[in-house]
Amino acid sequence: EVQLVESGGGLVQPGRSLRLSCAASGFTFDDYAMHWVRQAPGKGLEWVSGISWNSGSIGYADSVKGRFTISRDNAKNSLYLQMNSLRAEDTALYYCAKSAVRVELLSWFDPWGQGTLVTVSS
Amino acid sequence: DIQMTQSPSTLSASVGDRVTITCRASQSISSWLAWYQQKPGKAPKLLIYKASSLESGVPSRFSGSGSGTEFTLTISSLQPDDFATYYCQQYNSPWTFGQGTKVEIK
Repeated sequence: EVQLVESGGGLVQPGRSLRLSCAASGFTFDDYAMHWVRQAPGKGLEWVSGISWNSGSIGYADSVKGRFTISRDNAKNSLYLQMNSLRAEDTALYYCAKSAVRVELLSWFDPWGQGTLVTVSS
Repeated sequence: DIQMTQSPSTLSASVGDRVTITCRASQSISSWLAWYQQKPGKAPKLLIYKASSLESGVPSRFSGSGSGTEFTLTISSLQPDDFATYYCQQYNSPWTFGQGTKVEIK
């Protein structure tokens, strides 16, 4: 069974940093692109960042470009999101999601983890 | 970036109703569209991919259609388990979602 388990969320002051992790199991991690998607309280889904299977292609939403960095460690079956210069508007539940198609970056997402909550507040 | 617009934002319906949700893309995305269902406190769940392909295990009352810029998700006979929020997603980079359609009990 494919499992994605996010961790690292919490309460952080504006301007500070936080690093999210996503532990993957149940599939060959280094065959799949991975993504971060967030959902602000009571709001819709927003794609944040994605990374190809070999880290050769990386993309970011304009709202986080220059502040967030996505990375992966295929030896540890783990995905990361380093979030710097956090703002109140970054407050959200952050989901890790697997690309559905092996090797393909341009794919739908399946499955998703349960999310980790990031709250940016003083 | 490609903008995705869903309508309606909220839909009130009864068990047994046929329900249709529309998603429009700001430019052609061919069939690069997926639909997800999200229930409160849960992660989104894939329903449809490639605009009309039903994900394994998803009930056949769900169907998707469309190509280019206009897409629909149809639930042929609404069941109690279907009251949820539905999102469309285009998966050409960068990925974007519609704003969601909440299906409520009438």
